[in-house]
Amino acid sequence: EVHLVESGGGLVQPGGSLRLSCAASGFTFSNYWMHWVRQAPGEGLVWVSRMKSDGSNTGYADSVKGRFTISRDDAKNTVYLQMNSLRADDTAVYYCTREDVPGGVSNWGQGALVTVSS
Amino acid sequence: QSALTQPPSASGSPGQSVTISCTGTSSDVGGHNYVSWYQQHPGKAPKLMIYEVSKRPSGVPDRFSGSKSGNTASLTVSGLQAEDEADYYCSSYTDSNNFVFGTGTKVTVL
Repeated sequence: EVHLVESGGGLVQPGGSLRLSCAASGFTFSNYWMHWVRQAPGEGLVWVSRMKSDGSNTGYADSVKGRFTISRDDAKNTVYLQMNSLRADDTAVYYCTREDVPGGVSNWGQGALVTVSS
Repeated sequence: QSALTQPPSASGSPGQSVTISCTGTSSDVGGHNYVSWYQQHPGKAPKLMIYEVSKRPSGVPDRFSGSKSGNTASLTVSGLQAEDEADYYCSSYTDSNNFVFGTGTKVTVL
């Protein structure tokens, strides 16, 4: 069974940094694109970033480009999201997801809450 | 990279059908067949209902169907059931090698 478990969320001040981790299990991690999707309280889903299975290709939403960095460690079956220069509007639950069908993600983690506030 | 446009709400009585639209541009919905639909119940993670415009993952009832015409994709839920009451989001691959979600539609079963 596929499991995605996010960690690293918490309260951070504006301008601060945070690194989210997502530990994957139940599948061959190195074969899949991995994505991060976020959802602010009471708001809709927003795609954040993705990384190709071999790490050679990444993509970012305009709203986080230059501030967030996605990375992966296939030896640890883990994908990361380094978030710098955090702003109040980055406050959201961040989901780690696996792209298991073309353009679609069937597997979601439980989410990690990031709160940016002074 | 603007969000795809969905109606804020849609509703129908049990047994009826409801169709949700998802309007983008030629750079996303209109230019690619990687359109997906997600269902999200309150407090839960989203669930993939449709991918590649009209394909259903295993386990998704055939009451759910997807289509696309030009820059607009659609999700139709036939034979509405109480458990279909949820938020629905579309998503699409874009020319920028990224993805974008829709604004979301709350479906109410009357």
